[in-house]
Amino acid sequence: EPEVTQTPSHQVTQMGQEVILRCVPISNHLYFYWYRQILGQKVEFLVSFYNNEISEKSEIFDDQFSVERPDGSNFTLKIRSTKLEDSAMYFCASRGTSGNTGELFFGEGSRLTVL
Amino acid sequence: QKEVEQDPGPLSVPEGAIVSLNCTYSNSAFQYFMWYRQYSRKGPELLMYTYSSGNKEDGRFTAQVDKSSKYISLFIRDSQPSDSATYLCALARAQAGTALIFGKGTTLSVSS
Repeated sequence: EPEVTQTPSHQVTQMGQEVILRCVPISNHLYFYWYRQILGQKVEFLVSFYNNEISEKSEIFDDQFSVERPDGSNFTLKIRSTKLEDSAMYFCASRGTSGNTGELFFGEGSRLTVL
Repeated sequence: QKEVEQDPGPLSVPEGAIVSLNCTYSNSAFQYFMWYRQYSRKGPELLMYTYSSGNKEDGRFTAQVDKSSKYISLFIRDSQPSDSATYLCALARAQAGTALIFGKGTTLSVSS
């Protein structure tokens, strides 16, 4: 069964460092998303990406964040200068054009710990 | 008022019980209603999807939407220990590719 894969599964970094989280969406999907979940809190939308551009972003997704689809398979989230409050589980998700709005397939997540 | 409210529980039931999980929302722009299941330290997994008021059944699961009351429910019949997880309601507006707004999730434990 096709799945969304994310790397790394866990990354520990020092405050102020740059972090890149990587995702390989399901191969025929065209909508891509990043969500995050701070421990004990709700899953929060960060950004959606379609047709090589951001289609929607939340207030959380400020200038410290960026997304990129550098080739035909990877979808990355970059945090330029990490803060303690960026510590969270980051989930990548994708959706196919034939899927209904809301039918997202999530990866297993990348846990980011900022010290 | 929060966009989506969901009682976090925890909810503990014996095997075979009927479970009722609920969310309320405030924005009538939401047109799509989903239930996701999340096991510990895993990504959410779609369980049920609906866009109209009424009931939708899939095996032991029934999703219910009441748009007039802005209230959605998930019923689990004959609950199993494998149903132990966190259940997240998620809502979306009409546009393709739009963000999902999640509830905080209800943690369910089914004991054998």
